[in-house]
Amino acid sequence: NAGVMQNPRHLVRRRGQEARLRCSPMKGHSHVYWYRQLPEEGLKFMVYLQKENIIDESGMPKERFSAEFPKEGPSILRIQQVVRGDSAAYFCASSPLNRGWKDTEAFFGQGTRLTVV
Amino acid sequence: KNEVEQSPQNLTAQEGEFITINCSYSVGISALHWLQQHPGGGIVSLFMLSSGKKKHGRLIATINIQEKHSSLHITASHPRDSAVYICAVRWQLGSQGNLIFGKGTKLSVKP
Repeated sequence: NAGVMQNPRHLVRRRGQEARLRCSPMKGHSHVYWYRQLPEEGLKFMVYLQKENIIDESGMPKERFSAEFPKEGPSILRIQQVVRGDSAAYFCASSPLNRGWKDTEAFFGQGTRLTVV
Repeated sequence: KNEVEQSPQNLTAQEGEFITINCSYSVGISALHWLQQHPGGGIVSLFMLSSGKKKHGRLIATINIQEKHSSLHITASHPRDSAVYICAVRWQLGSQGNLIFGKGTKLSVKP
């Protein structure tokens, strides 16, 4: 049973380009969460999604950032017109359908390290 | 002021020592997580607590809800325990997964 899979592991983009980060949850998990870790800072919650629904996007920047979790395929975190300040590690986590984080531990991916040059 | 405070920020220990990392928080919570992050690597969940104490191998985690405090203990520490340990809380009014993270404690265990 593969864990939470994120790709790519490393992504380099020039300022103004788009970055697409993918997250495949663990088998049987239908809740996905995205977090950002800026250099020398702690992790910050970005967004919580279920299949085809955004449940909580209170941590998402208002512009340029979007997330989706379609019925089929991985969850995508999309950053348009990237700027240097978007350089960070982006982590995804997942949890099962009927057991959210009330009584399960967290399952994290390896992260995507985005560098904007 | 960060709502989740960890101490110490950095910790160096000799192999075999007993280690304690502390976490204090200022909001009402429904759960607290201890996470481990290796350099350049991903994040591993160690414990999720809502009360009492949990033990897994050489790791022990405790939480005191009234005092808003949790500790992570490592017995008989080993160089492979070197990592950043992160405390994260799910506050009572937040959605699941909407965690507030501490800045981490960087642990280095010397052989």
